[in-house]
Amino acid sequence: DAGVIQSPRHEVTEMGQEVTLRCKPISGHDYLFWYRQTMMRGLELLIYFNNNVPIDDSGMPEDRFSAKMPNASFSTLKIQPSEPRDSAVYFCASSLGLAEFTGELFFGEGSRLTVL
Amino acid sequence: RKEVEQDPGPFNVPEGATVAFNCTYSNSASQSFFWYRQDCRKEPKLLMSVYSSGNEDGRFTAQLNRASQYISLLIRDSKLSDSATYLCVVWQGGKLIFGQGTELSVKP
Repeated sequence: DAGVIQSPRHEVTEMGQEVTLRCKPISGHDYLFWYRQTMMRGLELLIYFNNNVPIDDSGMPEDRFSAKMPNASFSTLKIQPSEPRDSAVYFCASSLGLAEFTGELFFGEGSRLTVL
Repeated sequence: RKEVEQDPGPFNVPEGATVAFNCTYSNSASQSFFWYRQDCRKEPKLLMSVYSSGNEDGRFTAQLNRASQYISLLIRDSKLSDSATYLCVVWQGGKLIFGQGTELSVKP
C-alpha cells in the first residue's frame, strides 16, 4: 500500500526564492498534518487539516508560510520568500481520525530544504 | 518551559544492556501518551502507546506517572537495530506534541 508521498525529497534554493512542498496523504485518511524538524527545535506542528479544511495554523511561523489542501489527495506548503532559517526537514503526515487515542500519524519521508 | 522535555542523550550502550529514557510533560490535563522511533534521516514511526497501568511490548516497557507528569521507556536486552532516536509524544491542546528526542546508539 502506498504511504504518504512527499515531493521533492531534497531542495536547495537561494534566499528569496519561492519553495513549494507537496504531499499526497494515504487514501481515506481525513487528517493531514505539516511538521517541520530542526536540530534546535525538534518536530514542530505547523498546520493541520480535517477533510481539506485548515483547523489549526497556529504553528505557521509567519506570513511567508502558507498551506493549502484543494482536495483529499493533495496538499501544498509554500514558503515565499524563503530565508536561510527555513532550512529544515518538512514532514507531511496523515491519519484516520484525530489520533488522540491511537497516536498514530503516518509520516512521509520528508522534504529536506536548504536555503542558501 | 517546553511542553515535552526529554533526556537529550546520546545514550551509548553495549548490546544486551538495559536502557531507560525519561520524559516530562507540562500540561497536567494531557490524556494520551506515546513513544515514536525515528531512524537516522528517516520519518518518525509510532513505537507504542503508554497506558496508565504501564504496558509492555516484547523488550519494550512504557510507564506513566500522572502525579509527576513523567513518562518512561525501558528497553531490555538492547540490539544493534534499536539504535535510533526515541521521541516522547503527548496529546495536548488537540494535537500531538513531540519531544526533541533521545538518541540511542547500541554498540557491539
